[in-house]
Amino acid sequence: KAGVTQTPRYLIKTRGQQVTLSCSPISGHRSVSWYQQTPGQGLQFLFEYFSETQRNKGNFPGRFSGRQFSNSRSEMNVSTLELGDSALYLCASSLRGFEETQYFGPGTRLLVL
Amino acid sequence: AQSVTQLDSQVPVFEEAPVELRCNYSSSVSVYLFWYVQYPNQGLQLLLKYLSGSTLVKGINGFEAEFNKSQTSFHLRKPSVHISDTAEYFCAATGVGYGGSQGNLIFGKGTKLSVKP
Repeated sequence: KAGVTQTPRYLIKTRGQQVTLSCSPISGHRSVSWYQQTPGQGLQFLFEYFSETQRNKGNFPGRFSGRQFSNSRSEMNVSTLELGDSALYLCASSLRGFEETQYFGPGTRLLVL
Repeated sequence: AQSVTQLDSQVPVFEEAPVELRCNYSSSVSVYLFWYVQYPNQGLQLLLKYLSGSTLVKGINGFEAEFNKSQTSFHLRKPSVHISDTAEYFCAATGVGYGGSQGNLIFGKGTKLSVKP
């Protein structure tokens, strides 16, 4: 069974631009969660999608948004990029949610200049 | 706001020695607890989780953790570590009071375990 895949793996953007990251979950998994990892703030939960609906959301501004498609693939969008958005963005999938084992992708490393 | 505290940012230990990585969480009526490991340049991998039932939870790679409700702790232990256990370990919690219908998964800052020969 293929694991969680994230594209692209690396990305360089400039302040003010927007970016879209993609996550393909493990086949059959309906829950997809997104996380931001930075040296200063550590791992922070962004949001979780289940069956195309955002079910949970962390404490991030509205510039961070996401969506999930009918095949459970998910995208995350960050508009009006700021230098502080430079981070490793991780996606994880599970069958139904946090209480299940989450499988993480390798992440997308975003650098904002 | 609910929080997860990992008391040690770095833990150096010699190979074959025992290790304990400490984690404390905010009190909650109902809490789910997790330990994840992140090997260098890799994504996170679940080591073990506590949802309910037995307070001693066994995970992969010989790790175990004990849920202690009175001390709001969920410390991770391994009786004998190997060089390959060198990684960063994250404690996480979710549940009632952590936000959202199923919870906002809150992570600790991480503990870097360094196993020396």
